Amino acid sequence: QVQLQQSGPGLVEPSQTLSLTCAISGDSVSSNSGTWNWIRQSPSRGLEWLGRTYYRANWYNDYAVSVRSRITVNPDTSRNQFSLHLSSVSPEDTAVYYCARGVAGTAAFDIWGQGTMVTVSS
Amino acid sequence: DIVMTQSPDSLAVSLGERATINCKSSQSVFKSSNNKNYLTWYQQKPGQPPKLLIYWSSTRESGVPDRFSGSGSGTDFTLTISSLQAEDVAVYYCQQYYSAPPTFGQGTRVEIK
Repeated sequence: QVQLQQSGPGLVEPSQTLSLTCAISGDSVSSNSGTWNWIRQSPSRGLEWLGRTYYRANWYNDYAVSVRSRITVNPDTSRNQFSLHLSSVSPEDTAVYYCARGVAGTAAFDIWGQGTMVTVSS
Repeated sequence: DIVMTQSPDSLAVSLGERATINCKSSQSVFKSSNNKNYLTWYQQKPGQPPKLLIYWSSTRESGVPDRFSGSGSGTDFTLTISSLQAEDVAVYYCQQYYSAPPTFGQGTRVEIK
């Protein structure tokens, strides 16, 4: 079955870049039927979609307006994974970060990573 | 962005009784091109990621017990648990993807009375 395994640091200093990776098993990041998303959850902001990457003959990205100037989501086809980079972080970026697969057609997020609690603090 | 508002914020229901959660979107999430409502429900238990329960407002994900059902169209939706079980204690979220960005409700906590 499809699984997503997240990795990355749980503590990031203010103004630095938060970087997380999501390894895919049982599916392909290059699939024509899925999208690969990052979503975060915090008590103050709830569940917040951040961005996605997907392949439809070419690679595409979409990002939330709230983080558009700071975010990059990249596919890594050689490792079958995708990554999140969020620059210039502040304590407001403290949250549990999830990667998730989006199902083309239904637009639902059917497979989620285990979550990574990221704290922004010096 | 489409704003999703759930009610109530929490509810306590006796075992075996019905639980009803409402979700209202700030604009319609119905696509007439395919006759689908782009409304999804998730269940989240402590320390776990959200789990997909229902998509297209009323289609149960594979493996989800049939005591979970979704209904509604346009801007008003409902998740019903027909006979609450102990393992259903969780926070439930609705989410729309009619238009980008996908947005979530604030969540409804379901507890045992």
